[in-house]
Amino acid sequence: SQKIEQNSEALNIQEGKTATLTCNYTNYSPAYLQWYRQDPGRGPVFLLLIRENEKEKRKERLKVTFDTTLKQSLFHITASQPADSATYLCALYSGGYQKVTFGTGTKLQVIP
Amino acid sequence: DVKVTQSSRYLVKRTGEKVFLECVQDMDHENMFWYRQDPGLGLRLIYFSYDVKMKEKGDIPEGYSVSREKKERFSLILESASTNQTSMYLCASSSQGDQPQHFGDGTRLSIL
Repeated sequence: SQKIEQNSEALNIQEGKTATLTCNYTNYSPAYLQWYRQDPGRGPVFLLLIRENEKEKRKERLKVTFDTTLKQSLFHITASQPADSATYLCALYSGGYQKVTFGTGTKLQVIP
Repeated sequence: DVKVTQSSRYLVKRTGEKVFLECVQDMDHENMFWYRQDPGLGLRLIYFSYDVKMKEKGDIPEGYSVSREKKERFSLILESASTNQTSMYLCASSSQGDQPQHFGDGTRLSIL
């Protein structure tokens, strides 16, 4: 069956370092992969989208990579700040009228 | 700016009651979605709709129904509420299947 895995353990990093979050998937051929941020008590907010034929996408301090051979996406936040503390969700979409499937998210804590 | 509004942030109901959760979007989006979010289980799709009066079952439709009489409004109905439907409910919309989803801030529903 289709499966999306994000590290369920919280990730704690020091302010100023680069945070790297992982999204692995199996039995899936996504056309697009998206990353969202979710703060406590709020709905997820879209951050970045990367297509299957793209290797890397950047937006300010954010970078996403997509390796369809490894079936993995990495999400990087450079020069992390305490304000980056949140839960980050990856989501996969296969195309057409298929639904988007979300991972369970990884909680990031940036320590001042 | 894009806005998805859910009618209540917090709601407390009793078992056996019929419960209505309302969601309105102001972006003229074709697609609308209802999710529930539980700790450790992530976002799970209940129902979605690609057009007015159209609906499709998601991963966990049992015990729920939906209504989309107008493009901007998507309602989730718990026909006879049960305690295992206590959860955070999130509504989202998107212009097309491959586009980012915009979420409301959720309704935390407690069934006593």
